[in-house]
Order: sequence, then structure tokens, then C-alpha cells
Amino acid sequence: KAGVTQTPRYLIKTRGQQVTLSCSPISGHRSVSWYQQTPGQGLQFLFEYFSETQRNKGNFPGRFSGRQFSNSRSEMNVSTLELGDSALYLCASRLSGTKPHNEQFFGPGTRLTVL
Amino acid sequence: AQRVTQPEKLLSVFKGAPVELKCNYSYSGSPELFWYVQYSRQRLQLLLRHISRESIKGFTADLNKGETSFHLKKPFAQEEDSAMYYCALSAARRDDKIIFGKGTRLHILP
Repeated sequence: KAGVTQTPRYLIKTRGQQVTLSCSPISGHRSVSWYQQTPGQGLQFLFEYFSETQRNKGNFPGRFSGRQFSNSRSEMNVSTLELGDSALYLCASRLSGTKPHNEQFFGPGTRLTVL
Repeated sequence: AQRVTQPEKLLSVFKGAPVELKCNYSYSGSPELFWYVQYSRQRLQLLLRHISRESIKGFTADLNKGETSFHLKKPFAQEEDSAMYYCALSAARRDDKIIFGKGTRLHILP
């Protein structure tokens, strides 16, 4: 089975711009979660989507949004970029519906640099 | 609110010595705890979960509800254990979000 894929792998943007990141989950996985990874804060949960609905949400401002399509692919959008948004954005997918399938499978990440 | 604390950012251990990576959590309900590992240039991946009560790559972790801890242990460190380790928590109800600690970098000295 192919793993979780994320595009693009690297992005450079300037303050004030917006960005869209994409994630394709493992085939059959209907849940997609997004995390922000930084050296100082580790992995911070952004949100989780399941069946095109946001199921869980972290404590990020409204500039961070996401969506999920009917094929379970997900996109994350950050508007009005700030320098502090520079980070590695990780996407993870999992089977959902039964507890033993709580394992998250992570993608390689998108490295976002805001100048 | 759920919270995971990993008090050590960096832990250096000599090869062959015991390893203990600390994890404390805060959650009022019944938790599920996990350890994830990220080796250099590899993806973050699950190492073990408390519900399985298994040993993976010689690592074990016991959930101590009294001390709200889930420390990761290995009796004899190996060089290939050098990696970033994250403790994670999820509420023991279906489909809750998984919250991670800030991680501990384990460095095995030769």
C-alpha cells in the first residue's frame, strides 16, 4: 500500500500571503489529521477530518483551515501568513471507527518557510 | 484538557546503558497512551501503545495511572535507538484526537 503523501514538500512564502497544502491518505483511511511541527513546540494538533467533516480541532487561530474531499484527500490552508507559521506541517491518516485502529500513519511533511 | 509532558528535550545515554524516557500526562478520563519515534530522515511512526502491552525493539512502557505516567524503557541502549521520541495521548473513546508531547531527542553515545 502506498503511504501518506504530501505536496508540495517545500514552500517559501512571504508574510501576508496564503498557502494551501495537500495530503493524500493511505487508501481506505478516512481520517486525516494535520499537525504543525516546530523545534520549540514539538507536534501541535491542528485539526482532524473524517468523511469530509471536521471532527476534532486544536487551538490554532482561524487563519488555519482545512477541508476534506469525498476521496478522503485533504487540504490545509493558512491565510495571512506570519513569520511564526514557518514549520513542518505533517499530515497523518488512520482507519477510524474502532479503537485498535488508532495508529496514525504520517506523511513526510511540507516544510513551509515564511519570509 | 489533555496534556502530555516530556520533561527532557535531550537525553544522552551510553551504548549498553539503560534508557528511560519520561512521559507524564494530564487527563481526567481514561486515556490511551502511545510512543511514536522519528529516526533521522524517516517519517514519524508508532513504536508502541499501552493497550498492546508489547515490547518493540526492546522497548516497553507501562501506564501508571496513579502517577499519570507512561515512561519508555529499554534495559540496554543500542546506537540505532538514537532518534526523536514523542509520547502521545488520546481519550479512550472512539475517534478522539491524538495529542503529542514536545518530544525527547535520544542520543546514544558509543
